[in-house]
Amino acid sequence: AQSVTQLDSQVPVFEEAPVELRCNYSSSVSVYLFWYVQYPNQGLQLLLKYLSGSTLVKGINGFEAEFNKSQTSFHLRKPSVHISDTAEYFCAVSSYGGSQGNLIFGKGTKLSVKP
Amino acid sequence: ETGVTQTPRHLVMGMTNKKSLKCEQHLGHNAMYWYKQSAKKPLELMFVYNFKEQTENNSVPSRFSPECPNSSHLFLHLHTLQPEDSALYLCASSQDVGVGGYTFGSGTRLTVV
Repeated sequence: AQSVTQLDSQVPVFEEAPVELRCNYSSSVSVYLFWYVQYPNQGLQLLLKYLSGSTLVKGINGFEAEFNKSQTSFHLRKPSVHISDTAEYFCAVSSYGGSQGNLIFGKGTKLSVKP
Repeated sequence: ETGVTQTPRHLVMGMTNKKSLKCEQHLGHNAMYWYKQSAKKPLELMFVYNFKEQTENNSVPSRFSPECPNSSHLFLHLHTLQPEDSALYLCASSQDVGVGGYTFGSGTRLTVV
């Protein structure tokens, strides 16, 4: 069985500061990893994904994440945040050959960017 | 607009009502999903459809009944719901099942009174 842990439920940060949102996963098989963002009153939008290859993945809006297999982590980072980055961020995992398409989500981290 | 359209955006229904949620995608995707998003809980996968066939029912109560008439449309029929069913119901689609990179709709905010 797979699981995803997002260690911080809320992260307040000042505008133009760097931010890291933490995600750890548990799985007995190889995985695909994803970060989604949800703005208020909207659905989820894919930020970035790791399927294979380079462990550093770049996504939209200046975000990037690094897959660390030994630490089973996939932390999301941005060097300088904007007010518009205020949203909830979800880490998710699915397994290779997951025939049932079961994308497992973490509980989310609410990023609050203050001026 | 993400390519996945859900209607209605908001729905208030009584416990004895029957209503349906609609999801539509014209992305050419083969897989469609229903998720439930409740406050302070992770997103819960409810149903998976692949090429119009239901491939997973994640122990969802029978008061939720999905229907997938074709690969572009997905419905969630609701009847005799409970107040704890109030949540944001999200539809998603993907090219194939299991690879992720899902495209989500904006959701239907359901309130059961």
